[in-house]
Amino acid sequence: AQTVTQSQPEMSVQEAETVTLSCTYDTSESDYYLFWYKQPPSRQMILVIRQEAYKQQNATENRFSVNFQKAAKSFSLKISDSQLGDAAMYFCAYRSRGTSGSRLTFGEGTQLTVNP
Amino acid sequence: KAGVTQTPRYLIKTRGQQVTLSCSPISGHRSVSWYQQTPGQGLQFLFEYFSETQRNKGNFPGRFSGRQFSNSRSEMNVSTLELGDSALYLCASRLGAESTEAFFGQGTRLTVV
Repeated sequence: AQTVTQSQPEMSVQEAETVTLSCTYDTSESDYYLFWYKQPPSRQMILVIRQEAYKQQNATENRFSVNFQKAAKSFSLKISDSQLGDAAMYFCAYRSRGTSGSRLTFGEGTQLTVNP
Repeated sequence: KAGVTQTPRYLIKTRGQQVTLSCSPISGHRSVSWYQQTPGQGLQFLFEYFSETQRNKGNFPGRFSGRQFSNSRSEMNVSTLELGDSALYLCASRLGAESTEAFFGQGTRLTVV
């Protein structure tokens, strides 16, 4: 079974600064997806960024980028130029690419605070 | 285009009762998954439905069941409610069985007293 670990329960950052959230995972599979989801107080999970394991290039989406280290099974999220609206709970998630379905395995989450 | 709609948003039930939660996926989406979110256990996968068939099931007791209708709307049912079933229940919809991106609803907050 796959596991996802987020070792930082809470993080804080000053507005306009950069912050990195950590995520490690364990799997015996070679092909999979990794995601970062954001859950604001409204509780709706919003996809921030995704990475296909077969792609060596790190994914980027505007101010959000990842550092994907497949051998180390590490998948960190970097938020640049942090904004007040980035404050939320962030979840790292894993999904198999095979035929075992689309279940997402989530980490414990990191609560991000953005200070003005 | 409307997003994923979950009803009701809030629910209070008594131990021993049963409850049914509803999820309407994005129009055209045929895959619906359910997750339970609690402070202690985090986010856990309940089950996934595609074209009215259960494709995948998480490690939950048989009191938790679900179904999907021909219009892709899904319901989950919890019978003989326990205090530990208090949680946020999230529904996610995807276009197809192998589609990558899942779109989540705002969840149903169930409180069992």
